[in-house]
Amino acid sequence: DAGVIQSPRHEVTEMGQEVTLRCKPISGHNSLFWYRQTMMRGLELLIYFNNNVPIDDSGMPEDRFSAKMPNASFSTLKIQPSEPRDSAVYFCASSLDVGEQYFGPGTRLTVT
Amino acid sequence: KNEVEQSPQNLTAQEGEFITINCSYSVGISALHWLQQHPGGGIVSLFMLSSGKKKHGRLIATINIQEKHSSLHITASHPRDSAVYICAVGGNQFYFGTGTSLTVIP
Repeated sequence: DAGVIQSPRHEVTEMGQEVTLRCKPISGHNSLFWYRQTMMRGLELLIYFNNNVPIDDSGMPEDRFSAKMPNASFSTLKIQPSEPRDSAVYFCASSLDVGEQYFGPGTRLTVT
Repeated sequence: KNEVEQSPQNLTAQEGEFITINCSYSVGISALHWLQQHPGGGIVSLFMLSSGKKKHGRLIATINIQEKHSSLHITASHPRDSAVYICAVGGNQFYFGTGTSLTVIP
């Protein structure tokens, strides 16, 4: 299995632009998690889906952030409009139900 | 107050030493995770625990639900164990510790 796939691996964008991060979970996994990691705040859970349904989005910082999971093999995290304070590494992880999570390589986002 | 506290924050050990990293939490949980993050940034899940003890190679993780405490042990440490180790707990919410940065010197 290729593991959790994230794209792009690096993204540099200007403030105000829309950013879309993509994640392909491990085949057969039914839970998907989006995390953000910064030096200041460490790792934070943004949102997680179970069977394509958002279960907990209390970690989503504000309305500029949105996440979708249209099917079991794809999810997006969108930031619109982006701000410099959104610069971070965004990780996607998947698991079978509430089992062990497998992390993707992350997307390093820089907003200038 | 942090829901998850890890200690120590930083740890330097000689190759071969026995290492212990501690995690205490203050919330009700359904599971506790130990994660390893290498200098390159990738994150690997080492253990998921809800009770007792698990062992994988030189790594051992224990949890005491009553005391709300978990430990991660590394036996016969090796320089390739150098990484940040993160404790995370999940229940209704998901909380992360700030991580323990481990450096193992040859």
